[in-house]
Amino acid sequence: DAKTTQPPSMDCAEGRAANLPCNHSTISGNEYVYWYRQIHSQGPQYIIHGLKNNETNEMASLIITEDRKSSTLILPHATLRDTAVYYCIVRLGYSTLTFGKGTMLLVSP
Amino acid sequence: SAVISQKPSRDICQRGTSLTIQCQVDSQVTMMFWYRQQPGQSLTLIATANQGSEATYESGFVIDKFPISRPNLTFSTLTVSNMSPEDSSIYLCSVARGPNTGELFFGEGSRLTVL
Repeated sequence: DAKTTQPPSMDCAEGRAANLPCNHSTISGNEYVYWYRQIHSQGPQYIIHGLKNNETNEMASLIITEDRKSSTLILPHATLRDTAVYYCIVRLGYSTLTFGKGTMLLVSP
Repeated sequence: SAVISQKPSRDICQRGTSLTIQCQVDSQVTMMFWYRQQPGQSLTLIATANQGSEATYESGFVIDKFPISRPNLTFSTLTVSNMSPEDSSIYLCSVARGPNTGELFFGEGSRLTVL
């Protein structure tokens, strides 16, 4: 599976959009991009995934660049409860998920 | 979604002993996964447990140290054998939502401290 690079930490003001970047420059054509988050003392939670097109669900939006070498997870209106570690994962087909270090997002009042 | 219950939620154990962690799911699932999260670290996959077959272990993990059972489609156990302080971690059970195993549900984890 392709390797991902994320900033170790980010800050965001409550109510503002949180834009979390992920680089995956070695991604192959049939690898998906997954995002998970882990709130302190909880198990990880699936957020969203995509292949080529931008995706949106009730939690977030995923923007994948045309060359697929990077993506951005957008939390449109961050709340304090969105404070968590966010993991960007590239996965091929039915392979297992490999978690990296992720980005620690701190949402402040 | 799937509801996953793990027992125990936390435990303190003595060096050299073994502990079995239980994972109960509220629906039948084909694939179950066991992860470990050492203090301050990310998650590492220990093994994949499929019902009716031997668990598949990741590099660095062996059956003698982490035996896994999967007696049916809703239950699995992970045993941490002959524990040492380096085994102090959170152990997490997860299940795949469906055929696309990229969407996983996780339990709350079992926090193990070995003295």
